[in-house]
Amino acid sequence: AQSVSQHNHHVILSEAASLELGCNYSYGGTVNLFWYVQYPGQHLQLLLKYFSGDPLVKGIKGFEAEFIKSKFSFNLRKPSVQWSDTAEYFCAVNADNAGNMLTFGGGTRLMVKP
Amino acid sequence: ETGVTQSPTHLIKTRGQQVTLRCSSQSGHNTVSWYQQALGQGPQFIFQYYREEENGRGNFPPRFSGLQFPNYSSELNVNALELDDSALYLCASSSAGRGGAHTEAFFGQGTRLTVV
Repeated sequence: AQSVSQHNHHVILSEAASLELGCNYSYGGTVNLFWYVQYPGQHLQLLLKYFSGDPLVKGIKGFEAEFIKSKFSFNLRKPSVQWSDTAEYFCAVNADNAGNMLTFGGGTRLMVKP
Repeated sequence: ETGVTQSPTHLIKTRGQQVTLRCSSQSGHNTVSWYQQALGQGPQFIFQYYREEENGRGNFPPRFSGLQFPNYSSELNVNALELDDSALYLCASSSAGRGGAHTEAFFGQGTRLTVV
C-alpha cells in the first residue's frame, strides 16, 4: 500500500518569502500526484497535478511542483507567498492500480504573516 | 464552487447511534469517493462507488457502508457510532471512462460529525 509523508507540519513565513513544502511517497509503480489546498472554512481545492510528461508542473496561483522519481518526491514551491496563501496544503498520491483512490499526507499548515 | 454538495454541514450524534450523510456529485460525474478527515490529519479513503457498485475500500470496518443512486448521488452510513468517528467527512466526485482512467476528484465542503 502506498503512503505519503509531509515533513513540515507547520510553516510560518513572511509575505514575499519563498515557499517549499516537502512531499515523499512510497510506492514503486506508476503514480499520479496532486497537491490540494484547504483555505479556512472552504473545501479542498486542486492546486496542481502530475500524471505524466514534464516533471515540473505549474498550477494555479503561482504554485509549481517538481516530480523527482528517483527521490519519490513531489515538492511544492512558490517563489513569493502572499498573506492569502495562508491555508493547509495536502499532498496526495493515486497509484496506478487504485482506481481513483487518493492517499493523502498529513498536511502542512502554512501561515503567512503580512 | 465544485458542484459537489454535502448535507448536513454539521451533525451531533450520541455514541451507539447511526448516521447517514449525503452527497450530490458534480454533473456528469459517475464516481463518488468518501473520505474521513480527523482533526489535524489528512483525509483517509473510506470507499468509492462507481455506477452504483462499491469499487474499492480503505481500512474501515463494515459498520461504514454506502450507497450510490442512479443519479450518482451517494450516501455514507455509519452504524454503532464511536467517539473516534468524530471527524469531517468529505465526498469527492470524478468521472471514470473506459479502461478505468479517472478525471481529477472534486471535493465537497464536508459534513462535520461530532459523536458525544
